Amino acid sequence: AQKVTQAQTEISVVEKEDVTLDCVYETRDTTYYLFWYKQPPSGELVFLIRRNSFDEQNEISGRYSWNFQKSTSSFNFTITASQVVDSAVYFCALTPPSGYKLSFGAGTTVTVRA
Amino acid sequence: AAGVIQSPRHLIKEKRETATLKCYPIPRHDTVYWYQQGPGQDPQFLISFYEKMQSDKGSIPDRFSAQQFSDYHSELNMSSLELGDSALYFCASRGLAEQETQYFGPGTRLLVL
Repeated sequence: AQKVTQAQTEISVVEKEDVTLDCVYETRDTTYYLFWYKQPPSGELVFLIRRNSFDEQNEISGRYSWNFQKSTSSFNFTITASQVVDSAVYFCALTPPSGYKLSFGAGTTVTVRA
Repeated sequence: AAGVIQSPRHLIKEKRETATLKCYPIPRHDTVYWYQQGPGQDPQFLISFYEKMQSDKGSIPDRFSAQQFSDYHSELNMSSLELGDSALYFCASRGLAEQETQYFGPGTRLLVL
């Protein structure tokens, strides 16, 4: 069984502040993939980043960065210098290889105030 | 780049009616997934197809059925609609080169009155 926990329900920040979203996961698989998706108020689900279990290198992509720590089963996501357009629900998700379903966390609502 | 296409985008039905949702995956993607998202909830997996065969099944009601056609598009058929079926229905597709990444369509917002 796979489980994703996003303990933060809502986060509210002022524009230009950094926002870090926490994600903790449980899985018995030795190989797995972790994702962050964004769901803006318009409703679509937008893929942001992917990390596989055998690559713990943390990266930065524009204003997005992520911290994957296998030892603590965490996959945290940071938005640097937040903007109003970053206001959305952010979902952390997990899947084993071979095309299985995504297991989502409950989501964190991020509100960025001007 | 081409994205996943879903139609219709919005649908209003009465209780006990039927509905058909359509999904056109990204070209050369061979796996299609259906998810249901209730208000304020995370997406819940319904069913998936790989190369036109059902590959996995989640919490899909018996009133719902789905299939993937020879052109890889998929349809979700929903019968005897209930008020609780009101939700956002997503289709996602995945290709072999995508490292398990599922790309989602814009969703179909179904309202059952």
